[in-house]
Amino acid sequence: EIVMTQSPATLSVSPGERATLSCRASRGVGSNLAWYQQKPGQAPRLLIYGVSTRATGFPARFSGSGSGTDFTLTISSLQSEDFAVYYCQQYNNWPQTFGQGTKVEIK
Amino acid sequence: EVQLVESGGGLVQPGGSLRLSCAASGFTFRSYWMSWVRQAPGKGLEWVANIKQDGSEKYYADSVKGRFTTSRDNAKSSLFLEMNSLRAEDTAVYYCARDQPNYGAFDIWGQGTMVTVSS
Repeated sequence: EIVMTQSPATLSVSPGERATLSCRASRGVGSNLAWYQQKPGQAPRLLIYGVSTRATGFPARFSGSGSGTDFTLTISSLQSEDFAVYYCQQYNNWPQTFGQGTKVEIK
Repeated sequence: EVQLVESGGGLVQPGGSLRLSCAASGFTFRSYWMSWVRQAPGKGLEWVANIKQDGSEKYYADSVKGRFTTSRDNAKSSLFLEMNSLRAEDTAVYYCARDQPNYGAFDIWGQGTMVTVSS
């Protein structure tokens, strides 16, 4: 199965600053890459799919990029509601697999 | 409102069984693949199983194959997960999720139901 590796495990950022999260696949996943946001006690919520398409309800400060094996989620100016855990997921190969998550915390 | 609501979780002894349900509303349930995803306490997400719109195809993670069975009742807009021979490592929050058409991400999630396997 494809192993998804996210870095860093924890990212400490001040409100208003930029956050850059990385996700690497053990082999190419094409454009079949999604990101999810999960807040404490809540279900994950689809944030980005197809590498760079934002899901309904998320503002433009969230953007996704990358191709092949290396992908990035960027939050341009962190707001208080953005502090959460973010997971990447590949759905190019069976079984679909998730990264271990990056926790974005307040610095 | 598009919604998924899981139920049926609880405490079960190792080797025991449990049946989870997921009630869908606000969308045409019979038109979507559906999945189960779990999350062990303090851990990440693990896809467990999925099922085609008409129930004719089902796929399982290796970790649950032969022990878990997923099914659906389109007339009642409901999804099920029958879990047998439960192990401590099956302890997790179980989410049902809708598969995104033409992609493969999960675009709608339920709130989850907790399954604890312990003696």
